[in-house]
Amino acid sequence: DSGVTQTPKHLITATGQRVTLRCSPRSGDLSVYWYQQSLDQGLQFLIQYYNGEERAKGNILERFSAQQFPDLHSELNLSSLELGDSALYFCASSALGTLSYEQYFGPGTRLTVT
Amino acid sequence: GENVEQHPSTLSVQEGDSAVIKCTYSDSASNYFPWYKQELGKRPQLIIDIRSNVGEKKDQRIAVTLNKTAKHFSLHITETQPEDSAVYFCAAPGRGYSTLTFGKGTMLLVSP
Repeated sequence: DSGVTQTPKHLITATGQRVTLRCSPRSGDLSVYWYQQSLDQGLQFLIQYYNGEERAKGNILERFSAQQFPDLHSELNLSSLELGDSALYFCASSALGTLSYEQYFGPGTRLTVT
Repeated sequence: GENVEQHPSTLSVQEGDSAVIKCTYSDSASNYFPWYKQELGKRPQLIIDIRSNVGEKKDQRIAVTLNKTAKHFSLHITETQPEDSAVYFCAAPGRGYSTLTFGKGTMLLVSP
């Protein structure tokens, strides 16, 4: 157990809908990262938050957004869902905003868009 | 660096053999190189990492080597066991050095 929690574990929804994925980092970690992993694909970095502020952006679609709250948990919002958005979504946390510390992954949320 | 190439994409070995997975990166200023293991349907787990001030690091049956001149690093697993079967990802610092860019992964299959 990495100490990073994600909810829900599974999510099934229809095209055009909107969903929210939630992540709680390890105790003491200030940085949260979101990744998308599609079938047969690697880990695509989406976005990073550090202590409530957006720190870095990767290949995140405009239909997707995220935020980090004062208690450091983070939410990833996916809207106008398409079939191609079906994937495993992981969050990871690290102690600081730089790579002085390792990233620890949560168990993931499996999103299925039908 | 921001571009990380990983080879091979699949690797099949017999139990007890050694396995080597190689990655190259593009940014010569990169200084941190982790390796993650992901079992089917599970989260990636950090198994070993190396920083640029050392050339090799070992942890029991796994080791990582780094060649900064050539900008490549490798994961070595000795005496492989069936439970080593998984997808292995290498990574290097990405945008702004606060993110990681992952390789596309290597599926390692260890046959008994």
